[in-house]
Amino acid sequence: QKEVEQNSGPLSVPEGAIASLNCTYSDRGSQSFFWYRQYSGKSPELIMFIYSNGDKEDGRFTAQLNKASQYVSLLIRDSQPSDSATYLCAVRSTGDDKIIFGKGTRLHILP
Amino acid sequence: DADVTQTPRNRITKTGKRIMLECSQTKGHDRMYWYRQDPGLGLRLIYYSFDVKDINKGEISDGYSVSRQAQAKFSLSLESAIPNQTALYFCATSERRRQGAIDTQYFGPGTRLTVL
Repeated sequence: QKEVEQNSGPLSVPEGAIASLNCTYSDRGSQSFFWYRQYSGKSPELIMFIYSNGDKEDGRFTAQLNKASQYVSLLIRDSQPSDSATYLCAVRSTGDDKIIFGKGTRLHILP
Repeated sequence: DADVTQTPRNRITKTGKRIMLECSQTKGHDRMYWYRQDPGLGLRLIYYSFDVKDINKGEISDGYSVSRQAQAKFSLSLESAIPNQTALYFCATSERRRQGAIDTQYFGPGTRLTVL
């Protein structure tokens, strides 16, 4: 069964520091990778997507992909209290085209 | 107006009752999905539909059924609700995969269902 693994946390990071969230996946052929942010009781919202090996930056967010190691990460620079949320890693599955979600990592930014 | 809407937003019902959750979208997407979310278990796929005539079971379809009435509408039914179906339910949509499109999913606001 194809899986996406994340540390459940909570991950506590001081305000202004860099938060690093990690994800591994089992489907070696996957080509599309996503990070969603979900506030408590709200729906997930896409914050980053990445298709190619390397880094992709968007404002304070950087997604990193290493297909050889089947590893994708999200860095949040200058962390703010509003970044406190659950972050879901998602991977598009080869063959059936479904998106498989990890269980999420809870991030808590300490003021 | 929201691109993906769900009704109702909250529902409390009793064991054995039939419940329908509705999802509508104005994004023009072909693909629609139903998920449930439980604490500690993440998002689990119930059913998905890649077009009006295509319906597929997800990982936890037992006890659920769906209807794709139109490209924009996808309904989830619990034929005889049971307490362990208490959860937060999300509808999502995505585009048909094509060059240049971001092949991700867009979620509705969710329906909180409680089965007593």
